[in-house]
Amino acid sequence: DTAVSQTPKYLVTQMGNDKSIKCEQNLGHDTMYWYKQDSKKFLKIMFSYNNKELIINETVPNRFSPKSPDKAHLNLHINSLELGDSAVYFCASSQYHGTGSYEQYFGPGTRLTVT
Amino acid sequence: GENVEQHPSTLSVQEGDSAVIKCTYSDSASNYFPWYKQELGKRPQLIIDIRSNVGEKKDQRIAVTLNKTAKHFSLHITETQPEDSAVYFCAATGPLEGNEKLTFGTGTRLTIIP
Repeated sequence: DTAVSQTPKYLVTQMGNDKSIKCEQNLGHDTMYWYKQDSKKFLKIMFSYNNKELIINETVPNRFSPKSPDKAHLNLHINSLELGDSAVYFCASSQYHGTGSYEQYFGPGTRLTVT
Repeated sequence: GENVEQHPSTLSVQEGDSAVIKCTYSDSASNYFPWYKQELGKRPQLIIDIRSNVGEKKDQRIAVTLNKTAKHFSLHITETQPEDSAVYFCAATGPLEGNEKLTFGTGTRLTIIP
């Protein structure tokens, strides 16, 4: 009954490689996000999709490309990996309830290490 | 865009005492302020949130206060317990009905000393 899941949990790769992280939510939410959490624990939004449409695209290198095949899935592809890409990447989803709460449900995170 | 500052960055509190974490935000249009708790190696999880039409909200040992004029909001944890040890993040957003862009503070590492 996992709400937001991500694969893989750990990813170790070399500089210059291309890798993908997958995210799925079974909450029926319309909006999904990618966040990056660096070694200092700063949480920064990268992208957001609403019903498969890109709505937030922060200042992120264009080596990062999100893809949403349907509203339950949001994948992140990273080209030409660099050392500075090492971080924990969190997927999240949310739904506007009309009650004033916009809780974002986070996935377990993917720890990416670039060597 | 929105800028959220959070203080302190680390906080150690004796078990049973209270802990207070403070945040300020810059965008007066922001009207939703959640607090997330992240235990070591785990995902961030919402613990309490407040909207701008409310000055205070309480849930058992946790309370949040909001001063919209000063653009301050704070998290108060009373009767702290060891399981309260975690990193706490404040956030702010001006929701667009599903397109919520949360801007997070830099986090506070709270340690409860037994």
